[in-house]
Amino acid sequence: KNQVEQSPQSLIILEGKNCTLQCNYTVSPFSNLRWYKQDTGRGPVSLTIMTFSENTKSNGRYTATLDADTKQSSLHITASQLSDSASYICVVSSSLRGGYNKLIFGAGTRLAVHP
Amino acid sequence: GAVVSQHPSWVICKSGTSVKIECRSLDFQATTMFWYRQFPKQSLMLMATSNEGSKATYEQGVEKDKFLINHASLTLSTLTVTSAHPEDSSFYICSARDARSVHVYNEQFFGPGTRLTVL
Repeated sequence: KNQVEQSPQSLIILEGKNCTLQCNYTVSPFSNLRWYKQDTGRGPVSLTIMTFSENTKSNGRYTATLDADTKQSSLHITASQLSDSASYICVVSSSLRGGYNKLIFGAGTRLAVHP
Repeated sequence: GAVVSQHPSWVICKSGTSVKIECRSLDFQATTMFWYRQFPKQSLMLMATSNEGSKATYEQGVEKDKFLINHASLTLSTLTVTSAHPEDSSFYICSARDARSVHVYNEQFFGPGTRLTVL
C-alpha cells in the first residue's frame, strides 16, 4: 500500500533554532518527492521537489534531503522565524500509465515557532 | 507565474442549498485540475481529477452526483456541492497542472482554498 508517514506530528521550537522534519514513504513506482508549507487556512506552497537522483535541494533556509534507498526524506529549517509556523506536508508522486502522476500526501507536521 | 486562484475564499450556506466554487489558473493553461478536501488537522484528500473537455474522474467514496465538476476551459474548473449538509463543511482546495509542464516534475500548483461552512 502506498503510504507517506511524517514525524513528528507536531513540534514547538524557539525562534532562531533549527529543526528537522522526517518523512518515510512506501510508494511505488516513485516519481518525485515534494515538501509543501501550508499556512492555516491557505493552500499548500511548494518548497522543494526532488527526483530519484537528487539527494539534497535547498530553498533559502529550507533544505530537503532524499535517500531513495531507505525511502526517507527530511526537511531542515535553519534559523527559524515566527513566520515558519505552519504545517509541512511531505508528498510523494507516483508515476501512472499515460504519463500522469498520483500524489500521496503525508499527514503533515505542525510546526509552531515561539518567540 | 503559476498562480491558481479560488473563489470564493469562504462561504456560509444553509443546509440543502448548492454552492459553486471556482478554480482558475491565472497565467497558464491547465489541461488537468484536481479537487481536494481537507478536514481540520488532516491532510489533503483527493476528491476528483478534472480534465478539460471531458468528464471528471472521482476517487472511491466520492459521490459524483453530489460534487459536480465542470472543466469547460483550460483556465477554469468549477466544483458544485449540491444539497449541502453540515458534514460537507470543509476546506476545499484545487490544484492545476500546467499544460506545458510535461517534464520530470509534473508539478501541480495549488489554489488558496475555499472554506465551506454549512449551517
